[in-house]
Amino acid sequence: DTGVSQDPRHKITKRGQNVTFRCDPISEHNRLYWYRQTLGQGPEFLTYFQNEAQLEKSRLLSDRFSAERPKGSFSTLEIQRTEQGDSAMYLCASRSTGGKETQYFGPGTRLLVL
Amino acid sequence: AQTVTQSQPEMSVQEAETVTLSCTYDTSESDYYLFWYKQPPSRQMILVIRQEAYKQQNATENRFSVNFQKAAKSFSLKISDSQLGDAAMYFCAYRSLNYGGSQGNLIFGKGTKLSVKP
Repeated sequence: DTGVSQDPRHKITKRGQNVTFRCDPISEHNRLYWYRQTLGQGPEFLTYFQNEAQLEKSRLLSDRFSAERPKGSFSTLEIQRTEQGDSAMYLCASRSTGGKETQYFGPGTRLLVL
Repeated sequence: AQTVTQSQPEMSVQEAETVTLSCTYDTSESDYYLFWYKQPPSRQMILVIRQEAYKQQNATENRFSVNFQKAAKSFSLKISDSQLGDAAMYFCAYRSLNYGGSQGNLIFGKGTKLSVKP
């Protein structure tokens, strides 16, 4: 169990550019979540995958956002035509189906849109 | 929709003392999980403690314990013998077990920043 990893840890981009983040969940965790955390707030749910299927999307996930989880392993979150309001920490979490169903979080990707 | 409220933006405690962080939530569901997560500065969020709503007994994990009052929809976290390493943001979170309405995502409060004074 190597934990949830995310890459990159930090990203600075100019408004209008596209960015892509990667999340590697704990191996054998079939459920994967993306959250967004802005300064002074708790994380807010963006989207959820069970294996490779994206089963739920928050209304926060505008058309500029897209997420994938090919083969049910790592996941990517892409933001197109970034806006300053997209500046936030993007967190990934994973969990298994059974057991105590705890979500384990990655270190996050901090995005700054200039 | 469920909501989670943490009414204390900041708290402070002396090292070795006890502190209690408050959390209330609103839900019409009877089965759910509640969590406390800790987020140290620039470090990842880690689980502190969890409580299943169907369990009457309050959860404990070493120096951390909760006071779960289901009827009052209250879920406070008590940290005993506070240590410098306890300084962090603490988030209370709710998770529905109603799979028809959600897929297990967490609903977080805004957090409480805990400072520990030496």
